[in-house]
Amino acid sequence: GEDVEQSLFLSVREGDSSVINCTYTDSSSTYLYWYKQEPGAGLQLLTYIFSNMDMKQDQRLTVLLNKKDKHLSLRIADTQTGDSAIYFCAESTDGQNFVFGPGTRLSVLP
Amino acid sequence: DTAVSQTPKYLVTQMGNDKSIKCEQNLGHDTMYWYKQDSKKFLKIMFSYNNKELIINETVPNRFSPKSPDKAHLNLHINSLELGDSAVYFCASSRTTDTQYFGPGTRLTVL
Repeated sequence: GEDVEQSLFLSVREGDSSVINCTYTDSSSTYLYWYKQEPGAGLQLLTYIFSNMDMKQDQRLTVLLNKKDKHLSLRIADTQTGDSAIYFCAESTDGQNFVFGPGTRLSVLP
Repeated sequence: DTAVSQTPKYLVTQMGNDKSIKCEQNLGHDTMYWYKQDSKKFLKIMFSYNNKELIINETVPNRFSPKSPDKAHLNLHINSLELGDSAVYFCASSRTTDTQYFGPGTRLTVL
């Protein structure tokens, strides 16, 4: 079946860039997503990318997709303490059924 | 090292679909379990399985079926998903009737 993997923890210093990586197994994935979950909150969609794109930039966020290697990354420039959260990668083939990764806990140190 | 792992952690799908949740334990235990945690946080056992016996909670619909390819894995297959199947599903393992070790849970949402 489909699977999505992420490293579980990442620590960076405030002001540095964060890069969160994700790999997936389903070669027919059409949509790839990044969600943010702050403590006690639900999942917030940050950004998504179609599988026919290799990069998408939105303010401090840059998403890179390597479809050949089934590798997705999220770069957060100038990381702030408010960026501390759990970041989930997810994939979907039809935009209706989703498989999520285990989440990467980002800690931003002062 | 993770003792009991489940994949995926979150699963969102539509009514009527068939889905599977995987569970693996690296503790060398001989018994594995599936539990369903409802919205009130109660854990209800669905299945217990070792290489000799499958015990099924009679309240579990036959749309749910456990499959064990080997001693370290017990996967949960769910056919024709219904809205009421939305819950968090926990896998666990133990050595015979000893303490059960739980996985992190899989949150299933059926739309």
